Parts: sequence; C-alpha cells; structure tokens
Amino acid sequence: DQQVKQNSPSLSVQEGRISILNCDYTNSMFDYFLWYKKYPAEGPTFLISISSIKDKNEDGRFTVFLNKSAKHLSLHIVPSQPGDSAVYFCAASENFGNEKLTFGTGTRLTIIP
Amino acid sequence: GAGVSQTPSNKVTEKGKYVELRCDPISGHTALYWYRQSLGQGPEFLIYFQGTGAADDSGLPNDRFFAVRPEGSVSTLKIQRTERGDSAVYLCASSLAGDTGELFFGEGSRLTVL
Repeated sequence: DQQVKQNSPSLSVQEGRISILNCDYTNSMFDYFLWYKKYPAEGPTFLISISSIKDKNEDGRFTVFLNKSAKHLSLHIVPSQPGDSAVYFCAASENFGNEKLTFGTGTRLTIIP
Repeated sequence: GAGVSQTPSNKVTEKGKYVELRCDPISGHTALYWYRQSLGQGPEFLIYFQGTGAADDSGLPNDRFFAVRPEGSVSTLKIQRTERGDSAVYLCASSLAGDTGELFFGEGSRLTVL
C-alpha cells in the first residue's frame, strides 16, 4: 500500500520553462512534507519542505504547494536549469519531530537544453 | 569528510551469507537512520536511532536484520542468511535531533545477493 504516490515516473522540460512535479498521499495523519533530489550514485539531498499549516513555501526557484483537502502537493521549479535534471522524491511524516519519512517512488526530471 | 560516510560502497555476496554495512554519521548528529531503496522504488524506512538506542525499528523486514550503534556514533546494519530479495541500496542518514526532515544521506551501500 503506497501511502505517498508519484504517478509520473519521468518528466522532460525545456530549459527556462517551469517544471511541475506532483505528489499525492493517502495517510491523513501526514502533516509535514518534503522534497528530496537525487543524482545518480549519490544519496538524496533535502530540497524544500512544508508544514500542513501552510499552503505554500518558496525558496528561490523552488516552490512547494500543498492542498490538504485533496491530499496533493506539487513542486514548481522556475526557471528550470540543466542542473535540475535528477530524480525527485516526495516524502511525508506524521508529525513535526517525527523523522520517520515515507517516500514516494520518485520522478525523473530531465531538463532539455 | 564532513558528510555521512558508508562502507562498503558495493558488496556482492552469495545467498545465505552474513553481511555488515557500516555508517559513519556527521559529527554531532544524534539521530541516525537506515533506509533501503530497491530498484524503481523510493527509500523505505528501516530503523532510527536516537543516541545509542533504537527509537523505532518498525521498518526492519524480519529478524534477519539487526542494527547497532553502541557508542552513539557509528552504526552497523547486519543482515544474516542473506536472500536475493535483500539486494538493494542501503542508505544511511543522520540529523540533528529535532531538525525534522532534513536528513543528510550518505551515498549508500549497494548490496547484491547472488
């Protein structure tokens, strides 16, 4: 039973355009959400997070949106750059301070120069 | 190095053998985690240490898997009687206590069971 779902295994976007990566979850106890980025042969690195008390968090080119009623979040990257090509994982935890993360299966983003 | 260090980076073993995977966390990080990533999947939680004690080992798949962190720093994940289904990348991460979510991952140990 996949509690965090990333239904798009891959996405290709032209350099300079917006990349939108989607994530859905089923566990209503999740209230803290994160995005991790992973390059080949490296461990995942933290990108951005959002608490359920917010609906948006922005950090430079990266913005995460949370729609709690729809149990859906998305990561927007604008403008997309070639270095953004990586696998992006959505993750969730049940409460702030609980570091047991449940990850999605990832979306491979390719930025086309 | 300043990051999380995992050894070996690659391990090939035969079914039924015993394997140990080592993790050296970032200095000063009290929390340490083991995750497992199978092909085409996201990381899957195995166990979480706060200091020397296992605060949550609910992700360990069965009693062939065991992890220790005797001095609150380096951790070893031990797998007995390995099976082909144990083949995966085993990821270790560490964090400061209370710094939710920002886990610092190592590069992983790729285990292949033949």
